[in-house]
Amino acid sequence: DAGVIQSPRHEVTEMGQEVTLRCKPISGHNSLFWYRQTMMRGLELLIYFNNNVPIDDSGMPEDRFSAKMPNASFSTLKIQPSEPRDSAVYFCASSPRTEGTSILFFGPGTRLTVL
Amino acid sequence: AQSVTQPDIHITVSEGASLELRCNYSYGATPYLFWYVQSPGQGLQLLLKYFSGDTLVQGIKGFEAEFKRSQSSFNLRKPSVHWSDAAEYFCAVGAKGAAGNKLTFGGGTRVLVKP
Repeated sequence: DAGVIQSPRHEVTEMGQEVTLRCKPISGHNSLFWYRQTMMRGLELLIYFNNNVPIDDSGMPEDRFSAKMPNASFSTLKIQPSEPRDSAVYFCASSPRTEGTSILFFGPGTRLTVL
Repeated sequence: AQSVTQPDIHITVSEGASLELRCNYSYGATPYLFWYVQSPGQGLQLLLKYFSGDTLVQGIKGFEAEFKRSQSSFNLRKPSVHWSDAAEYFCAVGAKGAAGNKLTFGGGTRVLVKP
């Protein structure tokens, strides 16, 4: 199994530009999560999907952030316009279950730098 | 609301010595507890989990953790540390909710291993 795949692994952009992060969950997993990791705030859950439907987006910091999951094998996290304070590592994770608590499988992350 | 506290931000241990990482949680019901490890530049990998039953759980890489309800703790231990154990370790608590599964992570403990 290839695991959770994220692209790009590194992204450097200028303030005001649009940034799109991509994630392919593990095949057969029904839940998908986007996390952000910073030194100041640690790991924060931004949004999660069950069966491609957004369930809780209360962690999305601002309207500049949006996430979609058009099908079971693909999700995007978009930031428009980007700001320097968005610099962080963004992780995608998937889980085989939608109910109860089960294990999260994390991707390698995308390191975003906004200049 | 659930929360997780990892009191130690950094721990330095000599190779071959024992290691114990502390984790305290706050949760209204029986928690689902996890320890994840993050090596530099990598995503998080599950070390072990506690859902129910035996309060001493064994994980990968020789790690174990003990759930102590009376102390609201889930400390991670390893009898003899290897240089490859240098990483950041995250404790997490899960909530079983009707809408799915979300984890709340602690701030992490960075482990440095001295030769």
